[in-house]
Amino acid sequence: NAGVMQNPRHLVRRRGQEARLRCSPMKGHSHVYWYRQLPEEGLKFMVYLQKENIIDESGMPKERFSAEFPKEGPSILRIQQVVRGDSAAYFCASSPLATISYEQYFGPGTRLTVT
Amino acid sequence: KQEVTQIPAALSVPEGENLVLNCSFTDSAIYNLQWFRQDPGKGLTSLLLIQSSQREQTSGRLNASLDKSSGRSTLYIAASQPGDSATYLCAVRLLQGGSEKLVFGKGTKLTVNP
Repeated sequence: NAGVMQNPRHLVRRRGQEARLRCSPMKGHSHVYWYRQLPEEGLKFMVYLQKENIIDESGMPKERFSAEFPKEGPSILRIQQVVRGDSAAYFCASSPLATISYEQYFGPGTRLTVT
Repeated sequence: KQEVTQIPAALSVPEGENLVLNCSFTDSAIYNLQWFRQDPGKGLTSLLLIQSSQREQTSGRLNASLDKSSGRSTLYIAASQPGDSATYLCAVRLLQGGSEKLVFGKGTKLTVNP
């Protein structure tokens, strides 16, 4: 059973461009979470999604950021008109629909660098 | 608002030493607590998960305890090895209004010297 997959692993964008980060959850998992880790900071929750639904986006910046988890395909975190402050590691986690442990399983992350 | 604090921020020990990492949280209404390991430039590896009803969990040389009422958890590493060098993250899981999320501490950077 493959783990959570994220791509690309590294992404370089110039200021003003768009960044698209993809996350494929573990097989059988229908809950996806995105976290951001700024340099020298802890991981911060961004958004929680289930298939075709945004459950909680309280951690998402109000502008330029959006997330989706379609019925088919990976979850996408989209950052429009990137700025240098968006440079960070973005981690995706997934969990199954129902589990005793309710553990979140993390992917390897996408490291975004804005130049 | 839940806040998670990890002390110390960094720790350097000689190989073979037993050590304790500390984690505290401000709101005891947590669902569970998880300890992770993060190597430089890498993702997170789950080490131990403790449900709110549990007091401790063990895996090999690792033992994690949870005192929910006092808002504290410790990660005990026995007979440390250079390969244990990494950043250790503590995270509490919150269930609020149909949502759930992990709230992380900033981590303890551990260096085990040969």
